[in-house]
Amino acid sequence: EDKVVQSPLSLVVHEGDTVTLNCSYEVTNFRSLLWYKQEKKAPTFLFMLTSSGIEKKSGRLSSILDKKELFSILNITATQTGDSAVYLCASSGGANSKLTFGKGITLSVRP
Amino acid sequence: NAGVTQTPKFQVLKTGQSMTLQCAQDMNHEYMSWYRQDPGMGLRLIHYSVGAGITDQGEVPNGYNVSRSTTEDFPLRLLSAAPSQTSVYFCASRPNHWTDLWPQHFGDGTRLSIL
Repeated sequence: EDKVVQSPLSLVVHEGDTVTLNCSYEVTNFRSLLWYKQEKKAPTFLFMLTSSGIEKKSGRLSSILDKKELFSILNITATQTGDSAVYLCASSGGANSKLTFGKGITLSVRP
Repeated sequence: NAGVTQTPKFQVLKTGQSMTLQCAQDMNHEYMSWYRQDPGMGLRLIHYSVGAGITDQGEVPNGYNVSRSTTEDFPLRLLSAAPSQTSVYFCASRPNHWTDLWPQHFGDGTRLSIL
């Protein structure tokens, strides 16, 4: 059975801190690893990673994939209160590239 | 271009009632899927479709039916609602099932309560 595990499940930081969110996966016929940010409504896409060791970056957010050790991290530098959200990690695999989601990491950024 | 549209946004049902959650996309995406999200559980796949006329079960399909008669629409039917089906339901789509160059796009969700 495909499995995605995120850690920690929640964390509280202060504005300006740097955070690292972890995601490990066990997926048959792995194809890609995705990160989403979820605030009040629908998850919004952040990154998709398919190749090991190549960092994807968007502003203060960055992510990297390690296909040998089967994990990914999402880094957020200089956090802001607007970064408060649930961060979801998902892996794509199997015959029809189904997504398996982790339980999510609740990040709270205090002023 | 509306993306993925879900209706209704909120619904309260009594145990045993049936209803259909609607999902429509205007991006000509072949792949569509339904998830439920419960506190502390992430998103779990209910059913998915790789094209019109083709559907398959996900992780938690019991109590739900789907059909895909057109590319645009992918309704989710609750046959006999149970309190355990109280959840937030998300519909998602992406261009097709065999390439991962594009991520899934999610609708805004339907919050469903079963009394």
